[in-house]
Amino acid sequence: DIQLTQSPSFLSASVGDRVTISCRASQGISTYLAWYQQKPGKAPKLLIYTASTLQSGVPSRFSGSASGTEFTLTISSLQPEDFATYYCQQLNSYPLTFGGGTKVEIK
Amino acid sequence: QLQLQESGPGLVKTSETLSLTCTVSGDSVSSTNYFWGWIRQPPGKGLEWIGTVHYSGSTYYNPSLRSRVTIPIDTSNNQFSLKLTSVTAADTADYYCAARTIVAGGWFDPWGQGTPVTVSS
Repeated sequence: DIQLTQSPSFLSASVGDRVTISCRASQGISTYLAWYQQKPGKAPKLLIYTASTLQSGVPSRFSGSASGTEFTLTISSLQPEDFATYYCQQLNSYPLTFGGGTKVEIK
Repeated sequence: QLQLQESGPGLVKTSETLSLTCTVSGDSVSSTNYFWGWIRQPPGKGLEWIGTVHYSGSTYYNPSLRSRVTIPIDTSNNQFSLKLTSVTAADTADYYCAARTIVAGGWFDPWGQGTPVTVSS
């Protein structure tokens, strides 16, 4: 199975901060990685797919990048509605796996 | 647009079978454009992929659950289901259905709102 290691698992940030979340795959997954945002009591919401493609309707302050087996989600200027938990997911091979999540809280 | 909605009992007894249904609207469950899947999230924990099926009959299940899980498709009602046998307290979770785009590396979107299931004796 492909393991995804997300870091940090928790981060505290202020409105307007630039935030980066990392997701490292245990083996190559091409660019077959997605990022989701989940708010309490809600279903995950797709933000980015194929590592760097922004889902329609998602604000442009969100971006994704890839370098080998390292993937990064960046929020360029954190907004109040961005406080949530973020998950990466590899879609290269079965079994599909998720990272452990990164909870972004207000400093 | 494509929408999914989960339904089913919120309480299941230990050792029995958990059965949930996902109703698809905005497209057909027999569409060749999507895989149909289930993902779960135990309370306070992360996401776990359960399985994914395609109308063609292709099925993929998490090895950790394979012996207990099936995901049948019901074209007459435009639904697909989750059947998980011999449940224990460890199966207590929020259960989500979702559509997976069929392209290479396809992602899950949209998701249903989720339904909580508690397993208890």
